[in-house]
Amino acid sequence: DSGVTQTPKHLITATGQRVTLRCSPRSGDLSVYWYQQSLDQGLQFLIQYYNGEERAKGNILERFSAQQFPDLHSELNLSSLELGDSALYFCASSVGGTLSTDTQYFGPGTRLTVL
Amino acid sequence: AQSVAQPEDQVNVAEGNPLTVKCTYSVSGNPYLFWYVQYPNRGLQFLLKYITGDNLVKGSYGFEAEFNKSQTSFHLKKPSALVSDSALYFCAVRDNSGNTPLVFGKGTRLSVIA
Repeated sequence: DSGVTQTPKHLITATGQRVTLRCSPRSGDLSVYWYQQSLDQGLQFLIQYYNGEERAKGNILERFSAQQFPDLHSELNLSSLELGDSALYFCASSVGGTLSTDTQYFGPGTRLTVL
Repeated sequence: AQSVAQPEDQVNVAEGNPLTVKCTYSVSGNPYLFWYVQYPNRGLQFLLKYITGDNLVKGSYGFEAEFNKSQTSFHLKKPSALVSDSALYFCAVRDNSGNTPLVFGKGTRLSVIA
């Protein structure tokens, strides 16, 4: 158990809908990262927050947004969902925000199915 | 831009035999290299990382990896494979420039046969 928690474990929804995925980092970690894992694209970095502020952006669609709250938990919002958004969404956390040597610890993931 | 290649989609090895999962990387500066393992329906678990120093890095569950700068490789090894090692293995790299994202390879599925 990495200490990173994600809810819900599974989410089934319809095209056009909006969902929110939630992540709580390990105790003491200030950075939260979001990743999308799909069969064809592999593991793709979406976005990083550090202590409440956006720190880095990857291949995140405009339909997707995230935030990190004062208690350091983070939410990833996915809107106008398409079939191709079906994937595993992982959250990871690390102690710092800028140290390249930091280890990221991953949560168990949320499996999103868009029908 | 940084990148990682895991040239084998699948590696099969007999239980008790040594295993190697290959990884090569490309970065503009010095690399920081990581290995993660993913079991079915689970998140990624950290195994080990190379930052600097000794080229042979020891990690969790008896795994180790060897950093080779001239070959830009970071292969994962274990002297004696267990059936329970069967999983998906990911190599990842980031450079030392500051705040660059961790870039993952496509993953290698390891199957250890009893």
